[in-house]
Amino acid sequence: QKEVEQNSGPLSVPEGAIASLNCTYSDRGSQSFFWYRQYSGKSPELIMSIYSNGDKEDGRFTAQLNKASQYVSLLIRDSQPSDSATYLCAVNGGGKLIFGQGTELSVKP
Amino acid sequence: GAVVSQHPSWVICKSGTSVKIECRSLDFQATTMFWYRQFPKQSLMLMATSNEGSKATYEQGVEKDKFLINHASLTLSTLTVTSAHPEDSSFYICSANDRGEGSYEQYFGPGTRLTVT
Repeated sequence: QKEVEQNSGPLSVPEGAIASLNCTYSDRGSQSFFWYRQYSGKSPELIMSIYSNGDKEDGRFTAQLNKASQYVSLLIRDSQPSDSATYLCAVNGGGKLIFGQGTELSVKP
Repeated sequence: GAVVSQHPSWVICKSGTSVKIECRSLDFQATTMFWYRQFPKQSLMLMATSNEGSKATYEQGVEKDKFLINHASLTLSTLTVTSAHPEDSSFYICSANDRGEGSYEQYFGPGTRLTVT
């Protein structure tokens, strides 16, 4: 059974701080990794994809991938209250995305 | 780019009736579409994967005769919930993948909230 694990949170950070979201996966053969943001009552929105070891930056978001440790993370710099949402880690497995349970992030003004 | 629409955004139906939900990729051809269901405070549950012109592949535990999926074109997939019951009330979300891009990124529609009374 391929699994993706995330801390469910909630993770609370003050406005302006760095939020760090973590994810581990069980399938060592996975090659594609994604972070989605889901606001309450809405559908998921793709914010980052990463395929190679190392860091990938896009604005305030940085995704980090370590295939040897089977670990992927998302850093949000200068966190804003509008970043408050559930963040879903997803790993490609046989053409399907396997989602973690999501981490609820709360950014306090 | 990569916009996916769903219709309707919400629907209320009576127990025993059927409901059809449409999913369209607006600016790309979706070789593969996915249907998910999400209950409150839970993560996404993949129901089925559909490829244009072929039968859908259902996940274990999903009744294929109850949840009919048709992927008739590269831009349209439909999910029909047949003989709906209150326990089918949920948030149904489709996603689409453009394999022509060579990636496995999935773009989600806005979802359809189904309430069965």
